[in-house]
Amino acid sequence: DQQVKQNSPSLSVQEGRISILNCDYTNSMFDYFLWYKKYPAEGPTFLISISSIKDKNEDGRFTVFLNKSAKHLSLHIVPSQPGDSAVYFCAASAYGGSQGNLIFGKGTKLSVKP
Amino acid sequence: KAGVTQTPRYLIKTRGQQVTLSCSPISGHRSVSWYQQTPGQGLQFLFEYFSETQRNKGNFPGRFSGRQFSNSRSEMNVSTLELGDSALYLCASSFSGGGPEQYFGPGTRLTVT
Repeated sequence: DQQVKQNSPSLSVQEGRISILNCDYTNSMFDYFLWYKKYPAEGPTFLISISSIKDKNEDGRFTVFLNKSAKHLSLHIVPSQPGDSAVYFCAASAYGGSQGNLIFGKGTKLSVKP
Repeated sequence: KAGVTQTPRYLIKTRGQQVTLSCSPISGHRSVSWYQQTPGQGLQFLFEYFSETQRNKGNFPGRFSGRQFSNSRSEMNVSTLELGDSALYLCASSFSGGGPEQYFGPGTRLTVT
């Protein structure tokens, strides 16, 4: 049973446009969510996070939205750049992010075309 | 500040053998978590060690074990290797565990033949 789901394995976007990556979760105990970016042959790199007490968090070109009632979060990248092409993982924690046992989705491969 | 290092980077083993992977966390970090990445299952949590104690454990068989030393370095061991254990094994370290403070190493690519 997959507790964190990223239903789109891949996404292709034109440079300068918005990229929207989606993530759904099933466990109501999750209270902290994170997005990671991963390039081939490298470990994941933290992008942005959000606590369940918020519904939006912004950091530069990256914004994460959380809809608790729908158990859904999304990552918006505006504007998208070719360097954003990578695999994006959504992750969740039931401990307010205070412990190192993150539950990850399977990832979405984003391709940003020039 | 040096990042998380993992050794070896690549490893080829035969079914039935055992393997030990090593992770050196960022200096000062006390939490080390291990994850398995496979194409079909994505990133799956194996276990977390904090101050030499296993604090959390994922849903993996007992063939997967780990430990943490007093200098926070961690090792994971897989005994009786199976073909399905072929994966990228990632470790991540943080000061207290989890959240945006969790920094990942580059991983060890294990191939079981």
